Amino acid sequence: EVQLVESGGGSRQSGGSLRLSCAASGFNFNTNAMTWVRQAPGKGLEWVASVSGSGQRTFYADSVKGRFTISRDNPTNTLFLQMDSLRAGDTGKYFCAKETGGTYSWLDSWGRGVLVTVSS
Amino acid sequence: SYEVTQPPSVSVSPGQTARITCSGDAMPKQYAYWYQQKAGQAPELVIYKDSERPSGIPERFSGSSSGTTATLTISGVQAEDEADYHCQSADSSGTWVFGGGTRLTVL
Repeated sequence: EVQLVESGGGSRQSGGSLRLSCAASGFNFNTNAMTWVRQAPGKGLEWVASVSGSGQRTFYADSVKGRFTISRDNPTNTLFLQMDSLRAGDTGKYFCAKETGGTYSWLDSWGRGVLVTVSS
Repeated sequence: SYEVTQPPSVSVSPGQTARITCSGDAMPKQYAYWYQQKAGQAPELVIYKDSERPSGIPERFSGSSSGTTATLTISGVQAEDEADYHCQSADSSGTWVFGGGTRLTVL
């Protein structure tokens, strides 16, 4: 059974940093791209960043480019999101999700999410 | 930036058919994916590649796409289907985008 467990959330002031982690199990971690998706309170989902299975290719939404860094440690089956220069607009629940598919991929497993609150 | 548009809400009575749309200019060349999110829970994939249903998803969930609009159809809606439904697609360069979500209310 696929399990994704996020941790590292919390409260920060604007300009601060936070590092999220996602512990994965139940699948061959290094063969799947992984993604972070966030959801502001009462709002829809927003794609944040994705990383290839090897970790060599990364992709970011314009809203976080230059401030957030996605990475992974395949030996420990862990996905990370380093969040710097935080803004109030970064407040929300952050989900890690497992990608599947090839050229056209989608998110077939999600974690429960972790809360990030940024105060100005 | 590219956007896909969903209606904020859809309401149906139990046993009726619910249709939730997702519109975007790049839809003719990109697939649509649909996620169900019940209150306080993580999203769950219900439809991928416009019309494919993952194992374990009830047959009453189906998807289609025509032109610039993808549609999630729930036939014979049940009370347990009350949730937010999120459409995911991509722009012409393949960058992912989510719609604003549609709240399905079962009357």
